[in-house]
Amino acid sequence: AQTVTQSQPEMSVQEAETVTLSCTYDTSESDYYLFWYKQPPSRQMILVIRQEAYKQQNATENRFSVNFQKAAKSFSLKISDSQLGDAAMYFCAYRPFSGGGADGLTFGKGTHLIIQP
Amino acid sequence: NAGVTQTPKFRILKIGQSMTLQCAQDMNHNYMYWYRQDPGMGLKLIYYSVGAGITDKGEVPNGYNVSRSTTEDFPLRLELAAPSQTSVYFCASSYSADRAYGYTFGSGTRLTVV
Repeated sequence: AQTVTQSQPEMSVQEAETVTLSCTYDTSESDYYLFWYKQPPSRQMILVIRQEAYKQQNATENRFSVNFQKAAKSFSLKISDSQLGDAAMYFCAYRPFSGGGADGLTFGKGTHLIIQP
Repeated sequence: NAGVTQTPKFRILKIGQSMTLQCAQDMNHNYMYWYRQDPGMGLKLIYYSVGAGITDKGEVPNGYNVSRSTTEDFPLRLELAAPSQTSVYFCASSYSADRAYGYTFGSGTRLTVV
């Protein structure tokens, strides 16, 4: 079974600075998808960024980018120019490339990101 | 386009009571999921469905039941509520042909069992 580990329960960063959230995963598959979700106090789960394992290029979405190291099974999220609205829980998640339905996303335990003004 | 709609948003149950958490999606997604979120534990899969009439257990199914009579609806039933079921419940859906997309989540139901 796949596991996803987020080793930082909480991170704090000054507004306008850059912060990196860590995520490692364990899988025997060669193809899969990785995601970062944001959960603000409203509870809504919001997709931030996704990465296909077969793509070598790191995904980027505006101020959000990932550092995907397939051999190390590492998938970190970098947030540049942090804003107060970035304060939230961030979850790393894994999805197999193929599956008959038993392919529910496997989530890490989350990292609580605090933005200090 | 409403996406995934969950009702109710909050509920307090007494031990032993029953209730159904409703979930509906209007995106014609064939896959639907129920997760529970406990503090510091991330999200755990309770049940999932790959289409109408087909359901299967996830990681933590005990104490819950589901049904999928239509593509749109995927209710979660708690038969005999226990304090251990105090949690936030999320319904999600996805389209099987677009696995890179991830899920669309509902806004969650906060359930407290006292």
